[in-house]
Amino acid sequence: DAGVIQSPRHEVTEMGQEVTLRCKPISGHNSLFWYRQTMMRGLELLIYFNNNVPIDDSGMPEDRFSAKMPNASFSTLKIQPSEPRDSAVYFCASSLGEGGKAFFGQGTRLTVV
Amino acid sequence: SQQGEEDPQALSIQEGENATMNCSYKTSINNLQWYRQNSGRGLVHLILIRSNEREKHSGRLRVTLDTSKKSSSLLITASRAADTASYFCATDEDNRGSTLGRLYFGRGTQLTVWP
Repeated sequence: DAGVIQSPRHEVTEMGQEVTLRCKPISGHNSLFWYRQTMMRGLELLIYFNNNVPIDDSGMPEDRFSAKMPNASFSTLKIQPSEPRDSAVYFCASSLGEGGKAFFGQGTRLTVV
Repeated sequence: SQQGEEDPQALSIQEGENATMNCSYKTSINNLQWYRQNSGRGLVHLILIRSNEREKHSGRLRVTLDTSKKSSSLLITASRAADTASYFCATDEDNRGSTLGRLYFGRGTQLTVWP
C-alpha cells in the first residue's frame, strides 16, 4: 500500500480564495483524521470520521472550514474563504479501528497571502 | 479537550547517550502512543502501550506508563544522529469504557542528537 496520500503537497493562495485539500486513506482503514499543525498551536485535531461519518468536528475552527468523506477512499478539507491565519501544515491520517495506530500522510503546506 | 503534554520541549544530547522524554495527560485513556516527526514530514508511529500495560519495548525504545500519575516516558537508548526529530505522545479518550476514537497529540519534544 502507498500509505496515506495527500494532495497537493504545497498550496499558495490569495486571501479570499477557496482551498481544497485532498486525502486518500489507506485501503481498509475505517477512521480518518484531519489535523492542522502550526508552531503556535501544535497539532490540532480538526475533524474525525469513522466509517465515512463525521463523528467529531468540534476542532473545526469556524464555518469557513468544511470536510467531507463521500466514500471510504477519499476525503476533502475545504476552506472558503481562506485567510492568512489559515497558513499551516494540514495532515490527514487514517487508522484501523478506534484508538489504534494512525498512519499520516506527508501533509499539505498551505500558505495564504 | 484531552491532550498529552511532552516534557522537555527540547532536548540536546551526544550520540551514544540515552534520551528520555515524558508525557502527561489529563483523563482516563485506553492507550497511549508515541510518534516521531522528521522535519517537513508526516508523523510516524513508534509504539503503542495499552492502559493495562506498564512497560513496552521496541528495539532501542522503551516506553513506560503510569496511569495513577497519568504519565508516560519514552526512552531512546544509545541515541544516534538519525534519531534527531520531534517526538509526540498521543492519547485517545476513555469514555466509560469505550473509546471515542479521537487521537490527541501533545506539542512534542524536539530531540537533537549531535554526532
